[in-house]
Amino acid sequence: NAGVTQTPKFRILKIGQSMTLQCAQDMNHNYMYWYRQDPGMGLKLIYYSVGAGITDKGEVPNGYNVSRSTTEDFPLRLELAAPSQTSVYFCASSYSTGPYNEQFFGPGTRLTVL
Amino acid sequence: QKEVEQNSGPLSVPEGAIASLNCTYSDRGSQSFFWYRQYSGKSPELIMFIYSNGDKEDGRFTAQLNKASQYVSLLIRDSQPSDSATYLCAVTGATNKLIFGTGTLLAVQP
Repeated sequence: NAGVTQTPKFRILKIGQSMTLQCAQDMNHNYMYWYRQDPGMGLKLIYYSVGAGITDKGEVPNGYNVSRSTTEDFPLRLELAAPSQTSVYFCASSYSTGPYNEQFFGPGTRLTVL
Repeated sequence: QKEVEQNSGPLSVPEGAIASLNCTYSDRGSQSFFWYRQYSGKSPELIMFIYSNGDKEDGRFTAQLNKASQYVSLLIRDSQPSDSATYLCAVTGATNKLIFGTGTLLAVQP
């Protein structure tokens, strides 16, 4: 199993550009998550999904959009990139939700907006 | 008050010593508690989880939970330089989403 994969690993965007961060998992997990991590900070939840076709906002959703057409894939879309979106983005997945929520993380995408 | 608080460190311990990492949380309804290790430039990886009051041991790692004091800790015995990393405490909040602390940087000195 590859686990959770993310592409690209690195990206530099200009202000106002758009891009999609790709995330895929091969563990047949229903639950998938997008986090951002700023230097010296913990992970902040952007969006999450409880299954194909179902998504919901997390703590910091502004400036982002998601879709979930299949169990395996959970892309994150940035529209009109801003310098405040410079961060490391992690995708994660879990078999269950609720209190016993062991999440597995992808390798991350380091995004810089100039 | 932050929902999950950790001392940012760095916590410096000599090789072979016990490293003690601490975390407090604000939501009394939290039910599950996780410790993730994150090497510089890498993604978080789960080390341990604990749900019940008391201690849980896994190899050189021991997680301790005290719900009355809203406190969870991670002990690393016989610390090795390879244990040098940031340790993230995460707590399942009222919405069953993981709330992360900002992490404690551990440096094990050879």
